[in-house]
Amino acid sequence: KAGVTQTPRYLIKTRGQQVTLSCSPISGHRSVSWYQQTPGQGLQFLFEYFSETQRNKGNFPGRFSGRQFSNSRSEMNVSTLELGDSALYLCASKLPGQGAYEQYFGPGTRLTVT
Amino acid sequence: QKEVEQDPGPLSVPEGAIVSLNCTYSNSAFQYFMWYRQYSRKGPELLMYTYSSGNKEDGRFTAQVDKSSKYISLFIRDSQPSDSATYLCAMSLSGGYQKVTFGTGTKLQVIP
Repeated sequence: KAGVTQTPRYLIKTRGQQVTLSCSPISGHRSVSWYQQTPGQGLQFLFEYFSETQRNKGNFPGRFSGRQFSNSRSEMNVSTLELGDSALYLCASKLPGQGAYEQYFGPGTRLTVT
Repeated sequence: QKEVEQDPGPLSVPEGAIVSLNCTYSNSAFQYFMWYRQYSRKGPELLMYTYSSGNKEDGRFTAQVDKSSKYISLFIRDSQPSDSATYLCAMSLSGGYQKVTFGTGTKLQVIP
């Protein structure tokens, strides 16, 4: 069974630009969550989507947004990029009703903002 | 102060050693406690999870939760070079609640 895939794997953007990251969950997994990982803050929860609806949201500014499509694929968008947005962005998927500890992570997208 | 504190290391041990990794937390409402392993250029993978207090063992790995002290530990026995990775502790209020709070991770190197 294929795992969670994220594209692109690496991305370099300039301050002020916007970026869109994509996540394809494991087949059958309808819940997708996004996390930001930085050396200083560790993994921080961004948001969770289920059946195209945002169910939970972390403490990030409105520049961070996401969406989920009917096939459960998800995208996250960051507008007006700042240097501090440089991070590894991870998505994770799980089956409906499963606990957070049963989510599977993708390899991440490494975003560098210059 | 962060909700979950974890020593970033790096921690370097010889092969075969017993490794102890620890996290402290401040939110007494946390009920689920998890340990993840993350290899370089990979996403985290779940090693073990524990509900409430107590111990849980899986092969060479043992997880301990002490809710009275707000302290969790992961022990690795007979450590192997393949255990070299970053270990993340994580916690959540309930099993179904998706907002998981992670520690910053401890980088472990097991030297052959």
